[in-house]
Amino acid sequence: EAGVAQSPRYKIIEKRQSVAFWCNPISGHATLYWYQQILGQGPKLLIQFQNNGVVDDSQLPKDRFSAERLKGVDSTLKIQPAKLEDSAVYLCASSPARAGAGELFFGEGSRLTVL
Amino acid sequence: RKEVEQDPGPFNVPEGATVAFNCTYSNSASQSFFWYRQDCRKEPKLLMSVYSSGNEDGRFTAQLNRASQYISLLIRDSKLSDSATYLCVVNSRGTDSWGKLQFGAGTQVVVTP
Repeated sequence: EAGVAQSPRYKIIEKRQSVAFWCNPISGHATLYWYQQILGQGPKLLIQFQNNGVVDDSQLPKDRFSAERLKGVDSTLKIQPAKLEDSAVYLCASSPARAGAGELFFGEGSRLTVL
Repeated sequence: RKEVEQDPGPFNVPEGATVAFNCTYSNSASQSFFWYRQDCRKEPKLLMSVYSSGNEDGRFTAQLNRASQYISLLIRDSKLSDSATYLCVVNSRGTDSWGKLQFGAGTQVVVTP
């Protein structure tokens, strides 16, 4: 079974530029998550989708971050404009059930460096 | 106060020894708990769920103490391959029914020969 796919794996941009990350969850998984993991910290939830609806985006910096999950399958996360503090690994995860009811399956992450 | 707190370590453990560490959570309404393992520069992977009665999976034992609001992980007969960061994860259910999985910052374990 294919896992969670993410791209690009690495991205280096200058501050104030924009970047987009793509995620394709495991087939059939209704719940999709984007997490931000800064070096030395645990993953922080940015946004959670159930099918193509947002169920939690309380920690998403909406002035610069946006995410969508069209058709309830793959998802994109965009940052515009990027700041130095956005340097992190952006992890996409999916699960077949609601949060807390089962296992999260993570992709390998997209590592962003903002110069 | 952070919702999920962990001792960052590192816990330096001789091969074959036992190591244990805790994680505290602030939301008394939290309903489910997990330990994830994260290898260096890799994604987190579920190690085990934590049940109220405590549970064991091979050399790993997880315990939940609701009264004191902490969970623990014990690793017996440590192997070199156990070297990783162990993330405590708590489902902090909010006013809706979805819940939010909160991750701790992780406890680093280094098993030495």
